[in-house]
Amino acid sequence: QVQLHQWGAGLLKPSETLSLTCAVYGGSFNNYYWTWIRQPPGKGLEWIGEINHSGSTNYNPSLKSRVTISLDTSKNQFSLKLNSMTAADTAVYYCARGQRWRHGYFDYWGQGTLVTVSS
Amino acid sequence: SSELTQDPAVSVALGQTVTITCQGDSLRSFYASWYQQKPGQAPVLVLYGQNNRPSGIPDRFSGSSSGNTASFTITGAQAEDEADYYCHSRDSSGYPLRLFGGGTKLTVL
Repeated sequence: QVQLHQWGAGLLKPSETLSLTCAVYGGSFNNYYWTWIRQPPGKGLEWIGEINHSGSTNYNPSLKSRVTISLDTSKNQFSLKLNSMTAADTAVYYCARGQRWRHGYFDYWGQGTLVTVSS
Repeated sequence: SSELTQDPAVSVALGQTVTITCQGDSLRSFYASWYQQKPGQAPVLVLYGQNNRPSGIPDRFSGSSSGNTASFTITGAQAEDEADYYCHSRDSSGYPLRLFGGGTKLTVL
């Protein structure tokens, strides 16, 4: 059974950098897109970006200048960094496993981390 | 344009059939996947591809697609189906962007 468990700081001040990590248990780390998705309070889902097992990344153009996704294959973990945080970045952040299939889908999700940006 | 459009809210009587739609140009090229989200919980994949359900997802959930519209149908809605539902697809503009619809809040009456 695949499980994703994520952690990181939940309260940040404006201009600080968000750092979250997601550990993958119970499945291969290869042949998937390891993904970050966020959801502002009361709003819908927004794709942040993804990384494959070889380290190739794709980012949402709206966040590309501020985001970095990396991975540690030795630990089956991947991470998100989002700099210059503002109140508009307040959201629940999810890690997810994306299928490497033409149509794509996310079959396993982390539990989510509420990140609040406030001075 | 790179967006998926869903009706914000839909209601259905207990035991009846309801369809949630998702519209977008990308759906002419890619199948949608659908996610159920209950309050305070992470989204759960309920449908993907042409009409595929992950293990453990009830067979009252089904999907279809035509042109720029993907549809998610619950046949015989149950109280536990009350949730937000999101569609997703790849973007067809050429950039590897992933799109989500704005979500549909389903109320079971």
